[in-house]
Amino acid sequence: SQQGEEDPQALSIQEGENATMNCSYKTSINNLQWYRQNSGRGLVHLILIRSNEREKHSGRLRVTLDTSKKSSSLLITASRAADTASYFCAPKETSGSRLTFGEGTQLTVNP
Amino acid sequence: EAQVTQNPRYLITVTGKKLTVTCSQNMNHEYMSWYRQDPGLGLRQIYYSMNVEVTDKGDVPEGYKVSRKEKRNFPLILESPSPNQTSLYFCASSRGTGGNIQYFGAGTRLSVL
Repeated sequence: SQQGEEDPQALSIQEGENATMNCSYKTSINNLQWYRQNSGRGLVHLILIRSNEREKHSGRLRVTLDTSKKSSSLLITASRAADTASYFCAPKETSGSRLTFGEGTQLTVNP
Repeated sequence: EAQVTQNPRYLITVTGKKLTVTCSQNMNHEYMSWYRQDPGLGLRQIYYSMNVEVTDKGDVPEGYKVSRKEKRNFPLILESPSPNQTSLYFCASSRGTGGNIQYFGAGTRLSVL
């Protein structure tokens, strides 16, 4: 089963700046999801983008999906210290019934 | 309130002493799953279940057992824990198959001495 590979592994920015995280995957997908994890806590779903969608917004989050490049990006605009967390992408393969997760991007937003 | 509940949250045990980590969800989800999270290795799936009495191995099933006798419960059993099973464990559930939005428990931090 495939998993998304997030890039960069770690990102440190100042409050108010935008944060961009990228995800690459290998095979065709039904959807791709982004999750957030505060230190040591359970993952929380942020946004799901289907394979026939190119862009999706939710509040300060913007997700893009390029199926030709097998990649997705998560943009957090006007970041806040409370956005400090790990962010994971989870592609759902066309074949198969489960999500898999990578190592995530550790985002630190400095006040 | 919709939730996935894991117990215990923290557990310290010794090698070879059988233990069970419980997981319960109140959303009537068909799909449930166990993951372990280790530094540098991300989140790896141990076992998953598509419905009652249907379980399947994930990516790292060795040393673990699961059962799904009721829809709401999916316990993780370590028959003979070893130090390499020291990890942070998460249970998750979703409607339908694993490709839908997953809801995670708060985690169980296990140390095997």
